[in-house]
Amino acid sequence: DAKTTQPTSMDCAEGRAANLPCNHSTISGNEYVYWYRQIHSQGPQYIIHGLKNNETNEMASLIITEDRKSSTLILPHATLRDTAVYYCIVRVPRNNAGNMLTFGGGTRLMVKP
Amino acid sequence: DAGVIQSPRHEVTEMGQEVTLRCKPISGHDYLFWYRQTMMRGLELLIYFNNNVPIDDSGMPEDRFSAKMPNASFSTLKIQPSEPRDSAVYFCASSKTGTANYGYTFGSGTRLTVV
Repeated sequence: DAKTTQPTSMDCAEGRAANLPCNHSTISGNEYVYWYRQIHSQGPQYIIHGLKNNETNEMASLIITEDRKSSTLILPHATLRDTAVYYCIVRVPRNNAGNMLTFGGGTRLMVKP
Repeated sequence: DAGVIQSPRHEVTEMGQEVTLRCKPISGHDYLFWYRQTMMRGLELLIYFNNNVPIDDSGMPEDRFSAKMPNASFSTLKIQPSEPRDSAVYFCASSKTGTANYGYTFGSGTRLTVV
């Protein structure tokens, strides 16, 4: 699976959009971009994933550049409860050879009042 | 759906004792994963099962660690004998083949302290 690079930490004001970048310049054509987050003292939680089109769900939006070498997770109206470590992971979703998630260091997002 | 259930939430044990961590995956999920999280090493995959069969245990740190999945609804991770460096949060996760995103659902973890 391709490696990712994320900033170590970011701050965001409550109510504003939080834009979390991720670089994955070595991503291959069949690898998806996944985002998970881990709120303190909890297990990681799936947020969203995408291949090449932008995606949106009730939690967030995912913007993937045309060359797929980077992406941005957008929390449109950040709340204090969004304070967490956000992990960007690229992987091939496969169901027979194993589909392990490999976590890097992630971005620690602090939402401030 | 109660999600992935882990027990106990917290475990404090003395060095040398046997520790057993338990996990109940989401019903219908055919993959089960055990992860360990420490400040120094982050989240590490220890072992995973598919249809109750261990597929890859290359992340298990040493022979003191063992994991079993006797049926589709239960798995254990055992450490015998435990050492202080085993102190960490242990997470169990499950996923289902054929779901659109192959996303994982994690449990709340077991915080293990070995003194």
